[in-house]
Amino acid sequence: NAGVTQTPKFRILKIGQSMTLQCTQDMNHNYMYWYRQDPGMGLKLIYYSVGAGITDKGEVPNGYNVSRSTTEDFPLRLELAAPSQTSVYFCASRHDYGYTFGSGTRLTVV
Amino acid sequence: TQLLEQSPQFLSIQEGENLTVYCNSSSVFSSLQWYRQEPGEGPVLLVTVVTGGEVKKLKRLTFQFGDARKDSSLHITAAQTGDTGLYLCGLSNDYKLSFGAGTTVTVRA
Repeated sequence: NAGVTQTPKFRILKIGQSMTLQCTQDMNHNYMYWYRQDPGMGLKLIYYSVGAGITDKGEVPNGYNVSRSTTEDFPLRLELAAPSQTSVYFCASRHDYGYTFGSGTRLTVV
Repeated sequence: TQLLEQSPQFLSIQEGENLTVYCNSSSVFSSLQWYRQEPGEGPVLLVTVVTGGEVKKLKRLTFQFGDARKDSSLHITAAQTGDTGLYLCGLSNDYKLSFGAGTTVTVRA
């Protein structure tokens, strides 16, 4: 049982480039989330989804897009990378008692 | 907007000592979750508390939910080096989880 899997683990982007952070879960959870974590700032919610075909904005959605075509996958897209998007990104899914997180993607924009 | 404040921000203790970290909200919340995060990994759920006054124990960890449901604490007895990590409290509302900034705990051998 893999839980929540994120790829890639590390990535360096140049300003203005685009990329997709992948997230997949094998627990058949309806609710999925994307967070970013900056030093000393805790985790901030970017986007979330309550099921396939349904997504909504979190606290810090600007500069990001998501889609949810299947229950398993919830990719996060950065269209025009900016230095302010340098962060560690975590995907999570929700079960009855809490949340399961992936191991994160460390993104640096230079 | 509910704010979650955690204190202290940093805590460094010797192995075998006890420690307590705190989580306070600006308003009442229905449930609260505690997570531990190790470097290079995602947060891992420790416990969920839902009832005012509730106390839950997980081996050497004791979690308390305040009677007024605006605060919570995590107490670790006889800390071990394996307890080192970032401790996060999270407030679940409307299918979303909001986090405090966390307490970084370092247990020295």
